Amino acid sequence: ETGVTQTPRHLVMGMTNKKSLKCEQHLGHNAMYWYKQSAKKPLELMFVYSLEERVENNSVPSRFSPECPNSSHLFLHLHTLQPEDSALYLCASSQARTIETQYFGPGTRLLVL
Amino acid sequence: EDKVVQSPLSLVVHEGDTVTLNCSYEVTNFRSLLWYKQEKKAPTFLFMLTSSGIEKKSGRLSSILDKKELFSILNITATQTGDSAVYLCAPRTGGFKTIFGAGTRLFVKA
Repeated sequence: ETGVTQTPRHLVMGMTNKKSLKCEQHLGHNAMYWYKQSAKKPLELMFVYSLEERVENNSVPSRFSPECPNSSHLFLHLHTLQPEDSALYLCASSQARTIETQYFGPGTRLLVL
Repeated sequence: EDKVVQSPLSLVVHEGDTVTLNCSYEVTNFRSLLWYKQEKKAPTFLFMLTSSGIEKKSGRLSSILDKKELFSILNITATQTGDSAVYLCAPRTGGFKTIFGAGTRLFVKA
């Protein structure tokens, strides 16, 4: 099984919907990350969790709500999104927040109508 | 403000060509620089560079860092169609923040 998995792989939602993205890592890592990748823009770091504690929140709107119930799972809860939130959402993990190498999941392609 | 500039933005070459991808950066309290390859979805790790002037090699790929001039290059020799991807440069700061460049899109023609 691949190290970092994400579900769903594709998601279409309306602006009034509530949905959640799930990330699971099987690498025994202690740090997990959410990134947003919009078309023709660099990867943008959204949230960082280290040992299940949120350590970084890069000015992300409150319509994105992360949750890290344990070191293997990370969720991104979505509600009342806007069309400009359509993007590829990538989850990553690393051995620790201080360790450089991050391993990425395949991403969830989100389309907000 | 932290900044990462990759060039060229895109590149089309023929199989067998050698390419050089550039990354210049200005970040607070630089710690290291990573290169990733992104094909369909997930970026995959290529190299981590921390010291100037020491080349890292992996098969046909190699990379080097110049901390004085604040840039790094990624070389790919004898390119193959499987090298077609977006190559991302990502400096990392002392505050453990990784900043990604916009990437260079490489297309290798058969």
